[in-house]
Amino acid sequence: EAGVAQSPRYKIIEKRQSVAFWCNPISGHATLYWYQQILGQGPKLLIQFQNNGVVDDSQLPKDRFSAERLKGVDSTLKIQPAKLEDSAVYLCASTPGLAGTSTDTQYFGPGTRLTVL
Amino acid sequence: LAKTTQPISMDSYEGQEVNITCSHNNIATNDYITWYQQFPSQGPRFIIQGYKTKVTNEVASLFIPADRKSSTLSLPRVSLSDTAVYYCLVPYNQGGKLIFGQGTELSVKP
Repeated sequence: EAGVAQSPRYKIIEKRQSVAFWCNPISGHATLYWYQQILGQGPKLLIQFQNNGVVDDSQLPKDRFSAERLKGVDSTLKIQPAKLEDSAVYLCASTPGLAGTSTDTQYFGPGTRLTVL
Repeated sequence: LAKTTQPISMDSYEGQEVNITCSHNNIATNDYITWYQQFPSQGPRFIIQGYKTKVTNEVASLFIPADRKSSTLSLPRVSLSDTAVYYCLVPYNQGGKLIFGQGTELSVKP
């Protein structure tokens, strides 16, 4: 079974530029998550989708971050414009079950490391 | 709010048993406790999950006392490849959202 795919693996941009990350979850997984992980900290949930609908985006900085999962499969996360403090690893995860099922295992991709100069 | 507290770091030697304890004083009745492992430059990976008493799989054991206010991840006979960050996760409300804390950085030495 293929895992969660993410691209690119690394990205370096200057502040105020735009950037987009792509995630392809495990086939058939209904729920998709985007996390931000700053160096030395645990992942922080940014947004949670169930199929193509947003379940929770309370921690997403909506003035600069946006995400979509149009067909309920792939997802993109965009930052526009980027700030220095956005430097982090952006992780995508998926689960087969419905959003918020505490017994569901989350499968993570390798992440995209973003450096904002 | 079921906030978790873990030691920030632990050191061990190859072949030893390692126990990492997590406290979660406000755990809800229906919440499960899940542990994840994260190697550098990789996403977290599921290790084990439990509700009460003891759970064991091929990788680890999880001990949960009757009051469920804490849990202990036990790694038998660790090797250098077990060097990683270990996260204890408990949903923080009935919505089931998983909150990652800072985790425990385990360093296994030869």
